[in-house]
Amino acid sequence: KQEVTQIPAALSVPEGENLVLNCSFTDSAIYNLQWFRQDPGKGLTSLLLIQSSQREQTSGRLNASLDKSSGRSTLYIAASQPGDSATYLCAVLTNAGKSTFGDGTTLTVKP
Amino acid sequence: DTEVTQTPKHLVMGMTNKKSLKCEQHMGHRAMYWYKQKAKKPPELMFVYSYEKLSINESVPSRFSPECPNSSLLNLHLHALQPEDSALYLCASSQDWGTPSTGELFFGEGSRLTVL
Repeated sequence: KQEVTQIPAALSVPEGENLVLNCSFTDSAIYNLQWFRQDPGKGLTSLLLIQSSQREQTSGRLNASLDKSSGRSTLYIAASQPGDSATYLCAVLTNAGKSTFGDGTTLTVKP
Repeated sequence: DTEVTQTPKHLVMGMTNKKSLKCEQHMGHRAMYWYKQKAKKPPELMFVYSYEKLSINESVPSRFSPECPNSSLLNLHLHALQPEDSALYLCASSQDWGTPSTGELFFGEGSRLTVL
């Protein structure tokens, strides 16, 4: 059974800082890994999708990497802003067609 | 248009009521999903429809009844719910299901359900 862990559970940083969120998974037989952000009481917004054959994806200030063999992904956020404050979730899609989510990292960026 | 639309945004119902949640997407996606999310927890998969056929039912109680009338619409019929069913219900869609070309999951804003 796939298990997904996100560390840290919560993170507070001053504005402008670069930061890294971590996601690890136990079964490397995945189709893809997706990073989301979720604002309180809202739905999930897709940030980046990395296919199993890819090593990284970039979008603006975000960069996600994937090391399938070691079961790890990182989400790098450059020059953080207060608007980046949210919960960040990673989800791993297995070949059973199910996405397993981590518990998320709650990020607070202080002005 | 990468939008998944869910209605209603909020729903309050008694344990004897019958209500429905609705979800719509116009991205041409062939897979649609229902997830349940409790406060401060990740989403939990309930149902998956692929090409309008139910592909996964994660042992969800029968008081939740999904329906996929066509490839763009997904409903969740609710009957005789319990207070512990109160949660945010999220709909999602993807290009495909169960293959490497599944693609991104796109989520709606959710329907906040309160069962009294």
